[in-house]
Amino acid sequence: DAGITQSPRYKITETGRQVTLMCHQTWSHSYMFWYRQDLGHGLRLIYYSAAADITDKGEVPDGYVVSRSKTENFPLTLESATRSQTSVYFCASSEGLAGAAEQFFGPGTRLTVL
Amino acid sequence: GQNIDQPTEMTATEGAIVQINCTYQTSGFNGLFWYQQHAGEAPTFLSYNVLDGLEEKGRFSSFLSRSKGYSYLLLKELQMKDSASYLCAVGYSNYQLIWGAGTKLIIKP
Repeated sequence: DAGITQSPRYKITETGRQVTLMCHQTWSHSYMFWYRQDLGHGLRLIYYSAAADITDKGEVPDGYVVSRSKTENFPLTLESATRSQTSVYFCASSEGLAGAAEQFFGPGTRLTVL
Repeated sequence: GQNIDQPTEMTATEGAIVQINCTYQTSGFNGLFWYQQHAGEAPTFLSYNVLDGLEEKGRFSSFLSRSKGYSYLLLKELQMKDSASYLCAVGYSNYQLIWGAGTKLIIKP
């Protein structure tokens, strides 16, 4: 299917476990982003990528790791999950840099860390 | 820091008009986005303003004043399906995109 997909859609895990959230886009967009969304906060950027093998930190990168070996995939890993990482995670892609082009969002992953 | 301010919640009546305001810090401003987000769903793009003035897209319009650091989203002929959160996001010259916390719009019949 065309577009941007995320998996899993829902995940419950325990403190200390490693979790990987997957993101896949079919548009061949250069730029991909990971956000978390919490009540009372705007979307907060965790990591972004300008191209395959090029990633950079966003506003709240601590506790997260990303990779981008292929243009279409941008997985996000929580190395040792904490309760404060309970959130809704959105992946997005764009043809241009943040702040200069529309971003297209995946459906989100709702993560609960017990 | 670069704060984006918008009201937390607004209520309006079906068929009416509502204006959702957004203020931001002007230094380094590149452009302003509005997104719509229904509960439990992803944000979807509504508009992008770079220059001053009003841009109209059907029932939705977006206004920008760069000198005042101010934008609004105007929704006309409100429908129940317009019940959603509306997110203001500002792009800056360092390629940062800063998001407001969103305005939850409640439409009453």
